[in-house]
Amino acid sequence: QSALTQPASVSGSPGQSITISCTGTSNDVGRYNYVTWFQQHPGKAPRLMIYDVSDRWSGVSNRFSGSKSGNTASLTISGLQAEDEADYYCSSYTSNTTQVFGGGTKLTVL
Amino acid sequence: EVQLVESGGGFVQPGGSLRLSCAASGFTFTYYWVHWVRQVPGKGLVWVSRINSDGISTSYADSVKGRFTISRDNAKKTVYLQLNSLRVEDTAVYYCTRAQYSGPGGFDYWGQGTLVTVSS
Repeated sequence: QSALTQPASVSGSPGQSITISCTGTSNDVGRYNYVTWFQQHPGKAPRLMIYDVSDRWSGVSNRFSGSKSGNTASLTISGLQAEDEADYYCSSYTSNTTQVFGGGTKLTVL
Repeated sequence: EVQLVESGGGFVQPGGSLRLSCAASGFTFTYYWVHWVRQVPGKGLVWVSRINSDGISTSYADSVKGRFTISRDNAKKTVYLQLNSLRVEDTAVYYCTRAQYSGPGGFDYWGQGTLVTVSS
């Protein structure tokens, strides 16, 4: 199972919006609405942000939103804040009944 | 409070073995599937294995199939990952994580991770 494709890095200024893409195949992202997004700060465990493509996890700011079109899912963060600077990972359920992650995207808040 | 606590990591030579444990608390353990995910320091997350709620069904990434074995003891609220025939490329932080719901559920709670270092 090949990893999902994410951009290595994205950046934005405080207050701006950014979008991180996550491209899979018709056997994972394109087939199921089971895409999850995680935030990971250095030295910390991943934190669930978005599940089932677009549902926000408990306690997650409404500045975070998820969507999907075809084989590509997206995470949008609006009103960027310094604390949003972190690595972001997507994952998807697959037709092999396994899970697959994206390679991760480093978000820099300028 | 949901908690997952990993243990058992350490330093081992290539070809050696380790058993990782993931002790759960704060939720009805028998309801949930559990996964192991690993991360080479500075690199991305990689799914390793999962076990269903009664321990009957398991699945593995191709890179560990035949070398790693996942199991659980519901009475002890613990999931195990037996790592055999370890390779240098198995060096990583190993996280256990709870599946939000059975089957395709994503990961809602994570442990703090345990570091496995394979080196001669």
